[in-house]
Amino acid sequence: DVKVTQSSRYLVKRTGEKVFLECVQDMDHENMFWYRQDPGLGLRLIYFSYDVKMKEKGDIPEGYSVSREKKERFSLILESASTNQTSMYLCASRTRLSGNTIYFGEGSWLTVV
Amino acid sequence: KQEVTQIPAALSVPEGENLVLNCSFTDSAIYNLQWFRQDPGKGLTSLLLIQSSQREQTSGRLNASLDKSSGRSTLYIAASQPGDSATYLCAVRHGQAGTALIFGKGTTLSVSS
Repeated sequence: DVKVTQSSRYLVKRTGEKVFLECVQDMDHENMFWYRQDPGLGLRLIYFSYDVKMKEKGDIPEGYSVSREKKERFSLILESASTNQTSMYLCASRTRLSGNTIYFGEGSWLTVV
Repeated sequence: KQEVTQIPAALSVPEGENLVLNCSFTDSAIYNLQWFRQDPGKGLTSLLLIQSSQREQTSGRLNASLDKSSGRSTLYIAASQPGDSATYLCAVRHGQAGTALIFGKGTTLSVSS
């Protein structure tokens, strides 16, 4: 069965802290994505990665960076957390070998105080 | 820029009713369209994926149709059940090489017993 795992479900961080959100998929998918979801705004793409060591900015990359050193792992980094980054963060992965269906993790709820 | 709209934003129906959720998109040059279900506080679960060359896809009580020329998709749910209560999101994808999905804001469905 397809599995995308986000290691932290709930986090509370202080303003200015550096925050790491980790995502691991066990399906050898090439593409991985980070979205954030906010009430009234829907899902917005932060970054995506075509493959290992490759990354592309999405619609709202400001204040975020990503790392993809291994195919199975895609990390989202908040360099200096701010209260407006309080949100639900969703990781996803996809391969064209699975008919292009995209699979999501359970989400990480981040609160910045 | 592609925009995806879902109407209505919320829908309440009694158990057993057949219902239709609507999704429209502004740019008909899509690669595929995917419908998702999201339960409160959880990630997204893929329901159906329709390739641009297809007209519809079916899974159990769910049927999704696609009309590219008019920029519309519908998700038909037959014989609704309380367990169908969730938020339903549609998303479109442009291009084949790793591009991300653009999401609508969803329709929140409540099925009462």
